[in-house]
Amino acid sequence: SAVISQKPSRDICQRGTSLTIQCQVDSQVTMMFWYRQQPGQSLTLIATANQGSEATYESGFVIDKFPISRPNLTFSTLTVSNMSPEDSSIYLCSVPLGGSGGTEAFFGQGTRLTVV
Amino acid sequence: AQSVAQPEDQVNVAEGNPLTVKCTYSVSGNPYLFWYVQYPNRGLQFLLKYITGDNLVKGSYGFEAEFNKSQTSFHLKKPSALVSDSALYFCAVRAGGYQKVTFGIGTKLQVIP
Repeated sequence: SAVISQKPSRDICQRGTSLTIQCQVDSQVTMMFWYRQQPGQSLTLIATANQGSEATYESGFVIDKFPISRPNLTFSTLTVSNMSPEDSSIYLCSVPLGGSGGTEAFFGQGTRLTVV
Repeated sequence: AQSVAQPEDQVNVAEGNPLTVKCTYSVSGNPYLFWYVQYPNRGLQFLLKYITGDNLVKGSYGFEAEFNKSQTSFHLKKPSALVSDSALYFCAVRAGGYQKVTFGIGTKLQVIP
């Protein structure tokens, strides 16, 4: 398994502001994933972050709204920009670990964001 | 495109009874299948996986799941439910060699004392 630390664990933010979420892993990983879990919903992949290259965004998510940094193999940040109440969600980072090719994904504890 | 269906929003079971949480999937090629559990105000915890081999896989906390290729199903089971098993359960799939994981909508399991 892996230890994945996310900060902050929760925050309440004013609309129009931005929040940067940090994800730290206790081992080096090539790929990191950022998910959003809206209230009562499943997880939706926002983007895949590879070290040394631009993040790859899923349909419906754009870099201007969710800029991602991946400065090294153990760390990534996701920024939620110009927030609105619709951005209120749990944001989770994830890394694939567990054997050849990295089979199962492990998750951080999540960041519960409330935008008021 | 890969997808996961969890047909039940909620499953209620009496403590001590067997439980089943259903999952069907669609993916190109050989599937990697997973079950995760989410307790209130917590992240997702990995329960078990099917990659290859025996169709019955055993995981954490006494859970097991059966892979059925012909029915494209991967139902989660436990012989005797505990109240502490009450949580939100997610089924997930990815195609072998491809890292993107698709999650089902989740099934809330309520174990009644």
